[in-house]
Amino acid sequence: RKEVEQDPGPFNVPEGATVAFNCTYSNSASQSFFWYRQDCRKEPKLLMSVYSSGNEDGRFTAQLNRASQYISLLIRDSKLSDSATYLCVVKRNYGQNFVFGPGTRLSVLP
Amino acid sequence: DAGVIQSPRHEVTEMGQEVTLRCKPISGHDYLFWYRQTMMRGLELLIYFNNNVPIDDSGMPEDRFSAKMPNASFSTLKIQPSEPRDSAVYFCASSLVGVKVEDTQYFGPGTRLTVL
Repeated sequence: RKEVEQDPGPFNVPEGATVAFNCTYSNSASQSFFWYRQDCRKEPKLLMSVYSSGNEDGRFTAQLNRASQYISLLIRDSKLSDSATYLCVVKRNYGQNFVFGPGTRLSVLP
Repeated sequence: DAGVIQSPRHEVTEMGQEVTLRCKPISGHDYLFWYRQTMMRGLELLIYFNNNVPIDDSGMPEDRFSAKMPNASFSTLKIQPSEPRDSAVYFCASSLVGVKVEDTQYFGPGTRLTVL
């Protein structure tokens, strides 16, 4: 089993739709959690950190369930510009070891 | 700030040749990371440095790979000899880790390596 797993997608949704991505991790001692976004043939960029209490940034909401070792990302009112691959990232409990999930590809259609 | 700078952006070489990838981290950052991304394996951490010192190289695939960081503003990843299975996009990233600073990693644009 991979340390970080995600729905591979692709998710094809119309503009304005709400879409949710799921991520699970196997190391219960993992310390920090993030969502990164990667556009086609570009570098990954931080979208948002994920806090235990859940957090929101505009149209994006991230949730963490430590008991279930589950992370989610909700995108509301999706835009064409949201089309990208979304990477779930988990930081191990030692050093600066970040483990990236395989990513979920999103295509927002006009 | 110019961000993380990598060179070359594209490299095409023949099997058996030496390949050197270069990275300049964001000024003031104390961590530098090398990643490799392929369709099959996704984004994998190869090695990371803290204050120019290699901390964890457990992700380096084999002895053909080596990385150095001679100073705070420069790092290299070398593959010698290169093989077709080394074809991938190699990313360098840097971060600043501190009590009140989130350890966000900033990635360079990557080097797309093709080994024929």
